[in-house]
Amino acid sequence: GAGVSQTPSNKVTEKGKYVELRCDPISGHTALYWYRQSLGQGPEFLIYFQGTGAADDSGLPNDRFFAVRPEGSVSTLKIQRTERGDSAVYLCASSLRRNTEAFFGQGTRLTVV
Amino acid sequence: GESVGLHLPTLSVQEGDNSIINCAYSNSASDYFIWYKQESGKGPQFIIDIRSNMDKRQGQRVTVLLNKTVKHLSLQIAATQPGDSAVYFCAENLPIGSGGSNYKLTFGKGTLLTVNP
Repeated sequence: GAGVSQTPSNKVTEKGKYVELRCDPISGHTALYWYRQSLGQGPEFLIYFQGTGAADDSGLPNDRFFAVRPEGSVSTLKIQRTERGDSAVYLCASSLRRNTEAFFGQGTRLTVV
Repeated sequence: GESVGLHLPTLSVQEGDNSIINCAYSNSASDYFIWYKQESGKGPQFIIDIRSNMDKRQGQRVTVLLNKTVKHLSLQIAATQPGDSAVYFCAENLPIGSGGSNYKLTFGKGTLLTVNP
């Protein structure tokens, strides 16, 4: 596609459930980022992939959060045992190479009830 | 540590005026900076970038200035239009790990720009 695509656009889940959020980066982009954004705040870094490997996962808040990018393209952010505090917009971005402009998707709004 | 902050959380201007949005960064190792515009309910939209070997870069109606001495960035928008109303973020690309071959893009809190007709 022409831009970064994230699905679903909205997700409502019950506390304690497992969720997966998907990101399709721009074709050919080797770097992929996940961010979390709460209302009135800037995007908060979660994890960065260069190719298939996680180059930096220091932003993942705890071991309930995990992300994969098995073929170096599509990435999935997985959240286990969701908590109400996980409610936020989860943003994905990709860039052609490291240290070049990053383009964002529209985000997935996650609501944990 | 690493932090990116903004001097003014809100800015209100009249249509047609020029806008200046400021940003301070704290890490001198950052060598690449990006300005993003975010409208309500949308993801951040790339506006313009600048590398640390430059002090000024111009785009269409926008100019970014970089002052490495005081670790300061600014975004200038000429002839501001109502469609420019949004939250603006600066982001710094910080080298991470040994060798500096990977980067982490870090955002500040943003500035809300309101353009009055």
